Amino acid sequence: NAGVTQTPKFRVLKTGQSMTLLCAQDMNHEYMYWYRQDPGMGLRLIHYSVGEGTTAKGEVPDGYNVSRLKKQNFLLGLESAAPSQTSVYFCASSYVGQAFGYTFGSGTRLTVV
Amino acid sequence: AQSVTQLGSHVSVSEGALVLLRCNYSSSVPPYLFWYVQYPNQGLQLLLKYTTGATLVKGINGFEAEFKKSETSFHLTKPSAHMSDAAEYFCAVTFSGNTPLVFGKGTRLSVIA
Repeated sequence: NAGVTQTPKFRVLKTGQSMTLLCAQDMNHEYMYWYRQDPGMGLRLIHYSVGEGTTAKGEVPDGYNVSRLKKQNFLLGLESAAPSQTSVYFCASSYVGQAFGYTFGSGTRLTVV
Repeated sequence: AQSVTQLGSHVSVSEGALVLLRCNYSSSVPPYLFWYVQYPNQGLQLLLKYTTGATLVKGINGFEAEFKKSETSFHLTKPSAHMSDAAEYFCAVTFSGNTPLVFGKGTRLSVIA
């Protein structure tokens, strides 16, 4: 009963490097989300997906790309990392309709130097 | 645009005292409202939610919240604080079954022995 699994848990990148964060869920949820959490800013939505093969922009999408090739996986990519992308990234998933609430992963702490 | 405001970025209470964390939202339509808790270095966990029906909602760990439409509020309470309640608490809102949650900036709760 894994729920939502994020990999990696920690990463340090140099400015300009690229990386992909993986989110996997085993609950057959249709919707998946990527948020970033910064001190004093709460959680801000980066991108989300309402089903396999679909993605949509959230509040802070610049500098990130996403893909949802399989229903259970949602990938977040940074093509050219910047220090401003230093943050804790959370993936979440939910059934169709927000009334059920989200299940969150444990987060990825990313530092860009 | 929907929004949620949490009053007080940090609340400190004595063990055994009442916990009150404030959340107000902006809306012209009925909202779905949520409270999440985040323990250090962990993801977010659903405490309770209001979708329809009874306006007083009970959640896990003895927490409850009351939806007050006239005040556009959804404050979180617990009669008696425990040391284990020390965490960050997030209020979240959506006004559509298919729109991602918007989170407040969070309130850090400290419990003093």
